[in-house]
Amino acid sequence: GAVVSQHPSRVICKSGTSVKIECRSLDFQATTMFWYRQFPKQSLMLMATSNEGSKATYEQGVEKDKFLINHASLTLSTLTVTSAHPEDSSFYICSARSRGETQYFGPGTRLLVL
Amino acid sequence: TQLLEQSPQFLSIQEGENLTVYCNSSSVFSSLQWYRQEPGEGPVLLVTVVTGGEVKKLKRLTFQFGDARKDSSLHITAAQPGDTGLYLCAGGYSGNTGKLIFGQGTTLQVKP
Repeated sequence: GAVVSQHPSRVICKSGTSVKIECRSLDFQATTMFWYRQFPKQSLMLMATSNEGSKATYEQGVEKDKFLINHASLTLSTLTVTSAHPEDSSFYICSARSRGETQYFGPGTRLLVL
Repeated sequence: TQLLEQSPQFLSIQEGENLTVYCNSSSVFSSLQWYRQEPGEGPVLLVTVVTGGEVKKLKRLTFQFGDARKDSSLHITAAQPGDTGLYLCAGGYSGNTGKLIFGQGTTLQVKP
């Protein structure tokens, strides 16, 4: 149980284009989903908290107009990186929780912006 | 600011050795999670501890939650090359929208 998927696992795009990443909880309903960014050999950096049917809450320093989050259902959240630039290249990971504080993580999406 | 200090940040040991990773905070957590992450993959949950003084074992891994719920440790006995990875501790606060506070991570390398 508690499986979270992400799609795509890898994406390469040109600078200035937008990229959408999907996060799905496969076998449970997620009351909350979280989006993280991770740099090599570093810990996770929380970008935003997403609740179904409401606006995402962004962490300080994260541009909400650049990183658009939509939480359309209890099993799906999407992160769209708009007008991507090379500095947006990173490993993006989502997580989901139902009850309690334990989060279950997706496998991550490697984004490379050329 | 809620902080979770994790140490050591890097550890390189020989197969068969024992090791302990620590997570410390001045804040009280309602729960503490430990995750293991391999390169290019998402973190995988190892254990959740919620009770002060709680000890959980997962094969050669022993997790302990401090009595005051401010700290935790992960002890690995007879480490194996398959234990290599990034270990992350994360503290949760009840009523905090479910956000977790992550430690800096411990990169463990076990050499054969």
